[in-house]
Amino acid sequence: DTAVSQTPKYLVTQMGNDKSIKCEQNLGHDTMYWYKQDSKKFLKIMFSYNNKELIINETVPNRFSPKSPDKAHLNLHINSLELGDSAVYFCASSQVITGSYEQYFGPGTRLTVT
Amino acid sequence: QQQVKQSPQSLIVQKGGISIINCAYENTAFDYFPWYQQFPGKGPALLIAIRPDVSEKKEGRFTISFNKSAKQFSLHIMDSQPGDSATYFCAASIRGYGGATNKLIFGTGTLLAVQP
Repeated sequence: DTAVSQTPKYLVTQMGNDKSIKCEQNLGHDTMYWYKQDSKKFLKIMFSYNNKELIINETVPNRFSPKSPDKAHLNLHINSLELGDSAVYFCASSQVITGSYEQYFGPGTRLTVT
Repeated sequence: QQQVKQSPQSLIVQKGGISIINCAYENTAFDYFPWYQQFPGKGPALLIAIRPDVSEKKEGRFTISFNKSAKQFSLHIMDSQPGDSATYFCAASIRGYGGATNKLIFGTGTLLAVQP
């Protein structure tokens, strides 16, 4: 049973294209996140959703548009891809309402823009 | 002020030795300090975490030491094994936004290699 899953695992595309990454969690958590890990392995939060509502947007370019159709899913759509978007994108989830701080990460999607 | 500084960048330890990774923070609003372990091609996995009202937490071979006055915390891996070879990230969390989320601020990572 995969707790936080992402598709696809790898994504190779050309500059200017639009692509989406999907995330699903089966932990029953109320909050989901997108993090970006760059080539130096630095992890930085991009977005946070609580019960389908956007809570955090860390000054991410508006080419990135997250969408949460329900509490268990958080997708990331990226328009007009640029070379600098190449990174590994991680989805995570946590159960904030119970006071838990634990965040569980998915396996990541490696995006390569050529 | 929202940075978390982590050192060393890389660490080589002999099997059976103690691995020590250090982190420091500035923002006293941080109230949760986890450590994550990441293997190549995998997502970060929560290893152990501590709250600022506790000075030490131990789980198996992994111990967090927390010094609130110095705003520092460290991960100790006792009896290090080759299977512990991975990248370790410290992090600090802020609960905000009306309690609707908690944001993790990560350190820069430490690549640990345990030699057999």
